[in-house]
Amino acid sequence: QVQLQESGPGLVKPSGTLSLTCTVSGDSITTTHWWSWVRQPPGKGLEYIGEVHHGGRTNYNPSLRSRVTMSVDNSRNQFSLNLSPATAADTAIYYCTRISCSGGGCLYYFDSWGQGSLVTVSS
Amino acid sequence: QTVVTQEPSFSVSPGGTVTLTCALASDSVSTDHYPNWYQQTPGQPPRTLIYNTDTRSSGVPDRFSGSILGNRAALTITGAQADDEADYYCVLYMGGGIYVFGGGTKLTVL
Repeated sequence: QVQLQESGPGLVKPSGTLSLTCTVSGDSITTTHWWSWVRQPPGKGLEYIGEVHHGGRTNYNPSLRSRVTMSVDNSRNQFSLNLSPATAADTAIYYCTRISCSGGGCLYYFDSWGQGSLVTVSS
Repeated sequence: QTVVTQEPSFSVSPGGTVTLTCALASDSVSTDHYPNWYQQTPGQPPRTLIYNTDTRSSGVPDRFSGSILGNRAALTITGAQADDEADYYCVLYMGGGIYVFGGGTKLTVL
């Protein structure tokens, strides 16, 4: 059973960099799956941020593309999110997820979720 | 910017049946969008209910079913229970590694 755990600062200053790491256990990050980030502002809906593959390929939400960078650390079984410059509108719970893929292709859904990490952007 | 629309709220009586829908502003939803559905209760991460239009995720009761109805994706709950009260989100895959969430439907069971 795969488990995902987000970690990172809970408070970020405006114009700074929002950085989060997701640690994966129960599965290797070097499998065929893709790994993604989804966020949820307080009291609002869910928003897809982007996805990363263990080989380094990425795809980002067009609305965030200019500010987002995702990467993987295969040796630590982790993947990361950087969002810069951060604004108050980026205040949200950030979830890391797994996108289900196999040798036969992807099923294009989020099959596992972390518990979420609240990040507040404020001075 | 792709917009995915869901009913903002819905109400169902215990034991009743409700169908939530997921629409694209400028196109029909099809199986090519691999529609999936998530349930979220307060303070919890989303729970995967349905993927690939109509496949239930492991452990999801069979009172939840997914389909395409006309030009929309649909989630039907048959025999609603009190603990089905939650927010429900659909997601459509747009290709190129891009996923779009609907705005969510707040379901009340009363």
